[in-house]
Amino acid sequence: AQSVTQLGSHVSVSEGALVLLRCNYSSSVPPYLFWYVQYPNQGLQLLLKYTSAATLVKGINGFEAEFKKSETSFHLTKPSAHMSDAAEYFCAVNPYGNNRLAFGKGNQVVVIP
Amino acid sequence: DTGVSQDPRHKITKRGQNVTFRCDPISEHNRLYWYRQTLGQGPEFLTYFQNEAQLEKSRLLSDRFSAERPKGSFSTLEIQRTEQGDSAMYLCASSSSDGFTGELFFGEGSRLTVL
Repeated sequence: AQSVTQLGSHVSVSEGALVLLRCNYSSSVPPYLFWYVQYPNQGLQLLLKYTSAATLVKGINGFEAEFKKSETSFHLTKPSAHMSDAAEYFCAVNPYGNNRLAFGKGNQVVVIP
Repeated sequence: DTGVSQDPRHKITKRGQNVTFRCDPISEHNRLYWYRQTLGQGPEFLTYFQNEAQLEKSRLLSDRFSAERPKGSFSTLEIQRTEQGDSAMYLCASSSSDGFTGELFFGEGSRLTVL
């Protein structure tokens, strides 16, 4: 079954520092890959997605992710963390033609002033 | 467009009782999904509707769980004879039918606590 792995459930980052969240997927075929974000007391919302077009994907709020097939990775980055980035971030995958998403365990990001 | 709404937001019940959650999707979306999220885990797929037809069910959806979407609009998720292991956040999401882009619109969830 297709799945994603996110390491480190809690990630602390200083305000203004690089945010890096790692996601590795297991798949025998190039998948669709996604990052979702959940702000406190809100529903999950799509941050960005990879659908086999450009390997560097830009999302909302200054986030971007790079698809690397050789490393089966789709890491999420933001050059400079802001206090408003404190949230939980989920990597997700779905195979072609499938209507369900498989989510990773998530990373809780804490931004330190 | 008011987004996906779920009711109730919180439910505390005793073991053995039945509970029902309601989801109202975005009005123009004909696909509706239920997920379950437990502490420290990402959302896990439960079931999916296209209009009123339930097209996929996860093995997580035991016989005590039933979901309906009678008129292709709102959906209900019922859990019968609740167990402590059912304690979780139940998430509803909807999407349009223009292929599957992976963009699901989630509600804020219904948190169930079984005592």
